[in-house]
Amino acid sequence: KNEVEQSPQNLTAQEGEFITINCSYSVGISALHWLQQHPGGGIVSLFMLSSGKKKHGRLIATINIQEKHSSLHITASHPRDSAVYICAVVIIQGAQKLVFGQGTRLTINP
Amino acid sequence: EAGVTQSPTHLIKTRGQQATLRCSPISGHTSVYWYQQALGLGLQFLLWYDEGEERNRGNFPPRFSGRQFPNYSSELNVNALELEDSALYLCASSLPREGKNTGELFFGEGSRLTVL
Repeated sequence: KNEVEQSPQNLTAQEGEFITINCSYSVGISALHWLQQHPGGGIVSLFMLSSGKKKHGRLIATINIQEKHSSLHITASHPRDSAVYICAVVIIQGAQKLVFGQGTRLTINP
Repeated sequence: EAGVTQSPTHLIKTRGQQATLRCSPISGHTSVYWYQQALGLGLQFLLWYDEGEERNRGNFPPRFSGRQFPNYSSELNVNALELEDSALYLCASSLPREGKNTGELFFGEGSRLTVL
């Protein structure tokens, strides 16, 4: 079993829909990142969370440390949101190491 | 302000050769991270450099090595290339580590290595 599991693996929705991507992890962490990867491979860091909730524009990220779960929400989705969204956790090991989920491929149709 | 820059964008090598990839972090960032994204395997942590020293490495053979220069730029070297080393290699940088936080990561566009 992977230390970081994302669901769903693939998600197709219509423009305007509310999107939720989930991330569960099985290890102790000090922080969690949500990343966005576009088809060319470039990655953008969307959020880094250690507790609670963060919002940036139409994106909202939440984390529940006790339940070892995080969600990324996109409101009023748009075709330009189409990308792979990756959850990555910072393992509490003293020497910080990122462990990545497999990613969620999101396609928003106009 | 310039972001994280990586070079080359694409690199084609043959089995047994060596590849060198370069990364320049954002100005002021002292930590540099290297990741491999091989087809079908997702992102995997390779190396972490901070203040010129290797702080941690992922589960990769010693053929994968690197260094960080005094200006905090970094090189990733892959020796004795194998076909399965074909991948996108991503570099990220962050501000100086404080406490247990890595700080926000800023990624480069990646270097795509193809081994024939």
